[in-house]
Amino acid sequence: EAQVTQNPRYLITVTGKKLTVTCSQNMNHEYMSWYRQDPGLGLRQIYYSMNVEVTDKGDVPEGYKVSRKEKRNFPLILESPSPNQTSLYFCASGTMSSGANVLTFGAGSRLTVL
Amino acid sequence: GEDVEQSLFLSVREGDSSVINCTYTDSSSTYLYWYKQEPGAGLQLLTYIFSNMDMKQDQRLTVLLNKKDKHLSLRIADTQTGDSAIYFCAADNDYKLSFGAGTTVTVRA
Repeated sequence: EAQVTQNPRYLITVTGKKLTVTCSQNMNHEYMSWYRQDPGLGLRQIYYSMNVEVTDKGDVPEGYKVSRKEKRNFPLILESPSPNQTSLYFCASGTMSSGANVLTFGAGSRLTVL
Repeated sequence: GEDVEQSLFLSVREGDSSVINCTYTDSSSTYLYWYKQEPGAGLQLLTYIFSNMDMKQDQRLTVLLNKKDKHLSLRIADTQTGDSAIYFCAADNDYKLSFGAGTTVTVRA
């Protein structure tokens, strides 16, 4: 089944404790992206990647890091989480080959930073 | 960056049509999209429209695009309880997708 898998789905952590949210896709998509969803703000893009070893900042990259060492994986790293990073995070992948950037989303990772 | 705006809530009676509206700011957006998010799930693509089109129909869904006014709408015919969800409008700008805040659609019996 074609899918984007994120882990963990739920996480409660404390300020300053480094964490990684993993994202993996099995569709051989070139494009991958991370979004955060906050009430009233919709989805805001954190980082995106056009292909292996190519990453770019989205609209809200501060406090986050990403890497794209393999095509299928795009982990989101919070080096020193803070309470304002409490949010619902979505990973997505897509292909631009048809022109439209049609994304497949993961189920989401709900992060709480105390 | 691109701003995408949509109303936050819509309540509709079962069997009626729903119309969700969206405006965007970047006239160079090539594709406009509608995604649906059901409770506890990620977003799923409903449909998208190329910017040189003004209408696209897909079963119960009709997308209207007014490029001059930068206005996009999604009409759902014969709305059912399973259509209750959050609907997101999105516009692309190069390789970035900008999303609106989402419209929560509630279908009442």
